Amino acid sequence: RKEVEQDPGPFNVPEGATVAFNCTYSNSASQSFFWYRQDCRKEPKLLMSVYSSGNEDGRFTAQLNRASQYISLLIRDSKLSDSATYLCVVNLSGGYNKLIFGAGTRLAVHP
Amino acid sequence: SAVISQKPSRDICQRGTSLTIQCQVDSQVTMMFWYRQQPGQSLTLIATANQGSEATYESGFVIDKFPISRPNLTFSTLTVSNMSPEDSSIYLCSVDASYNEQFFGPGTRLTVL
Repeated sequence: RKEVEQDPGPFNVPEGATVAFNCTYSNSASQSFFWYRQDCRKEPKLLMSVYSSGNEDGRFTAQLNRASQYISLLIRDSKLSDSATYLCVVNLSGGYNKLIFGAGTRLAVHP
Repeated sequence: SAVISQKPSRDICQRGTSLTIQCQVDSQVTMMFWYRQQPGQSLTLIATANQGSEATYESGFVIDKFPISRPNLTFSTLTVSNMSPEDSSIYLCSVDASYNEQFFGPGTRLTVL
């Protein structure tokens, strides 16, 4: 079983749509959670951290369920510029800052 | 966030040769990390580099193949030794920030013929 699993995608949605990505992680000792965005042929960039209480940043909402070891990302009112691969990332901490990346879910927003 | 640069940005190398990738940060950081992203795959951590100590390698990666230097708090190098086509990947360095976040350099795209 992979340590971080994501929806395989790709997701093809029209502009303005709402899209949700899911992610599960296997290590219950995981401490921190993130969504990164990676554009084609670019490095990953931090989109947002995910907090236990859930958090929102504009059109983006992240949720964490520690009991189910489940993370989600909701994008509302999709823009063409949202087209990218979204990486679910878990930090094991516990001594050093080790990030475990999911395989990513590709999003394509079309006009 | 820190500004991170990598050199070279890309290279095409012959099998059996070695390539050293440099990572420079514009501020002092405690920990630097090296990742590999193979074609169509996600990122895999190669090793963690702390200044003044030996790098810590992840399972499947060894120092003889991927020697790392960390001479100061703003710089690190990763060498890919005795390259084969299977080493063709993007190699990225990252630095830790607050709240266990990491920020990445632009990557080095390596093709081994």
